[in-house]
Amino acid sequence: GQSLEQPSEVTAVEGAIVQINCTYQTSGFYGLSWYQQHDGGAPTFLSYNALDGLEETGRFSSFLSRSDSYGYLLLQELQMKDSASYFCAVRDDNYGQNFVFGPGTRLSVLP
Amino acid sequence: GAGVSQTPSNKVTEKGKYVELRCDPISGHTALYWYRQSLGQGPEFLIYFQGTGAADDSGLPNDRFFAVRPEGSVSTLKIQRTERGDSAVYLCASSFEGQGASAGGYTFGSGTRLTVV
Repeated sequence: GQSLEQPSEVTAVEGAIVQINCTYQTSGFYGLSWYQQHDGGAPTFLSYNALDGLEETGRFSSFLSRSDSYGYLLLQELQMKDSASYFCAVRDDNYGQNFVFGPGTRLSVLP
Repeated sequence: GAGVSQTPSNKVTEKGKYVELRCDPISGHTALYWYRQSLGQGPEFLIYFQGTGAADDSGLPNDRFFAVRPEGSVSTLKIQRTERGDSAVYLCASSFEGQGASAGGYTFGSGTRLTVV
């Protein structure tokens, strides 16, 4: 079966750094994506890792270790607007385009 | 259009009724996806279109669910004999062919919140 695990909730203060972990067990693996979703809003694409290592995009970075079936999203210089749910998603088929999403991590940023 | 548009934004229907949910993807995006999201959970894949054809419908939960994309642009998700368990937010996303996985990823719409009473 397919399963992805993420912490359900994370809390941090403005200006801090937070790491959201994702472990996965899927029948295939062709990449790991991260999405941000504010309450009532659409999921918004943040990053994609197909190879091991760290990808940096502004305040957000994403890491992948395929041998450990593990990845994380790193958010730096947290702002109140970063309060949202964050989902990891695995592309498990080289020919398909659908992703398997994790249950999501709700991040609360406190002043 | 500038983004993925989904209508209606909210739909309340009685158990046993038929509903149609519409998705208008970003102009030029050949790939279109339907996902379903229950409260507190991640999106769950339903169906993927490449052009007019359903390339992968393995996520449709049963034969009450059907989707079409007759002209390769707008798509309609159809649910027959709705059940209370169908209540969820139905999300549509689109991407350029082959770029659903990388580059810009999917672009999601804001969804249709379906409530079956």
